[in-house]
Amino acid sequence: RKEVEQDPGPFNVPEGATVAFNCTYSNSASQSFFWYRQDCRKEPKLLMSVYSSGNEDGRFTAQLNRASQYISLLIRDSKLSDSATYLCVVSHTGRRALTFGSGTRLQVQP
Amino acid sequence: DTGVSQNPRHKITKRGQNVTFRCDPISEHNRLYWYRQTLGQGPEFLTYFQNEAQLEKSRLLSDRFSAERPKGSFSTLEIQRTEQGDSAMYLCASSKGDRNTEAFFGQGTRLTVV
Repeated sequence: RKEVEQDPGPFNVPEGATVAFNCTYSNSASQSFFWYRQDCRKEPKLLMSVYSSGNEDGRFTAQLNRASQYISLLIRDSKLSDSATYLCVVSHTGRRALTFGSGTRLQVQP
Repeated sequence: DTGVSQNPRHKITKRGQNVTFRCDPISEHNRLYWYRQTLGQGPEFLTYFQNEAQLEKSRLLSDRFSAERPKGSFSTLEIQRTEQGDSAMYLCASSKGDRNTEAFFGQGTRLTVV
């Protein structure tokens, strides 16, 4: 079983739609959580960190459920420019490296 | 440009040859990571440095792979006796601080072994 699991998609949604991605992690010692965005043939870039109380950044909302060990990302009012792969990332104090999921591909259509 | 820099951007090599990639992290970052990414997969961790010390290596890193960060600044990743299965994007990232903070990635080196 992979340490971080994501639905690969693709999620095909129309502009303006709301879309949500979930990610599950297996290591209960995980302490830090992030969502990264990766455009085709580009490097991953941080979209947002995920805090225990949940956090919002414009159209993006991230939630963490430690009891069920999952993280979610909600995108409201989708834009064409949101089309990308969204990578769920976790780390824990026993391991300094970030562990990435395989990513969820989003395609926003006009 | 003060971001993470990787060279070369592309490398095509024949099977059995050795290749070396270079990563220059953001200057004040003491942590440096190497990842490998293949199509449709997320980045897979290879190895991690804090300053010049290599603190962690993935089981994925066979004895054909070696990484160095001699002065705690730039790093090199060498692959000896390349195999077709080594074809991938090799990503370098850096971060700062003692806690898990944001990692900034370079644009990667795309390796093709023919």
